[in-house]
Amino acid sequence: AQSVTQLGSHVSVSEGALVLLRCNYSSSVPPYLFWYVQYPNQGLQLLLKYTTGATLVKGINGFEAEFKKSETSFHLTKPSAHMSDAAEYFCAVSPLGNTGFQKLVFGTGTRLLVSP
Amino acid sequence: GAGVSQSPSNKVTEKGKDVELRCDPISGHTALYWYRQRLGQGLEFLIYFQGNSAPDKSGLPSDRFSAERTGESVSTLTIQRTQQEDSAVYLCASSFRVAGTYEQYFGPGTRLTVT
Repeated sequence: AQSVTQLGSHVSVSEGALVLLRCNYSSSVPPYLFWYVQYPNQGLQLLLKYTTGATLVKGINGFEAEFKKSETSFHLTKPSAHMSDAAEYFCAVSPLGNTGFQKLVFGTGTRLLVSP
Repeated sequence: GAGVSQSPSNKVTEKGKDVELRCDPISGHTALYWYRQRLGQGLEFLIYFQGNSAPDKSGLPSDRFSAERTGESVSTLTIQRTQQEDSAVYLCASSFRVAGTYEQYFGPGTRLTVT
């Protein structure tokens, strides 16, 4: 079984500060890993994903995440927060394979608050 | 390029009534998923459709929940005899295969409130 843990339901940063959102996963097989962002009253939007290859993954809006197998982590970072980054962020995992069915298991989400 | 659309955006219903939620996937996307997002929680997988294959219903919480999909188009999620614990945002996603994985594109959701 797979699971995702996101530490901190809320993270507050100042504009221009480093953003760090934590995600740890458990998986019995090598996983695919995803970060999604949800703006108010909108659906989820894919920020970035890790499948295979390079462990540092760059996504949209200046976000990146690093897959660390030894730590079973996939933390999301951005060097400098912008007010528009305020949203809810979800980490998700699915099994690596060729089934074609990406049944995503989501974390509970982290709400990012950005203050001026 | 339209994204995934869902209707209605909000639905308030009385306990015991049936509701139907609709999802229009992105054209050409073969896979369609339904998720439930309860307040303060992550997304729970409900059901998955892939082409003409039998759907994976393993996430449906009870037999009051059912879903249909016509070919690779519209899907309807039906909740019968709604209960207050059914109150949640119901999200639909569709996907296609990109570089060995399926990227899921989500709709804005339907907020269901059962009174």
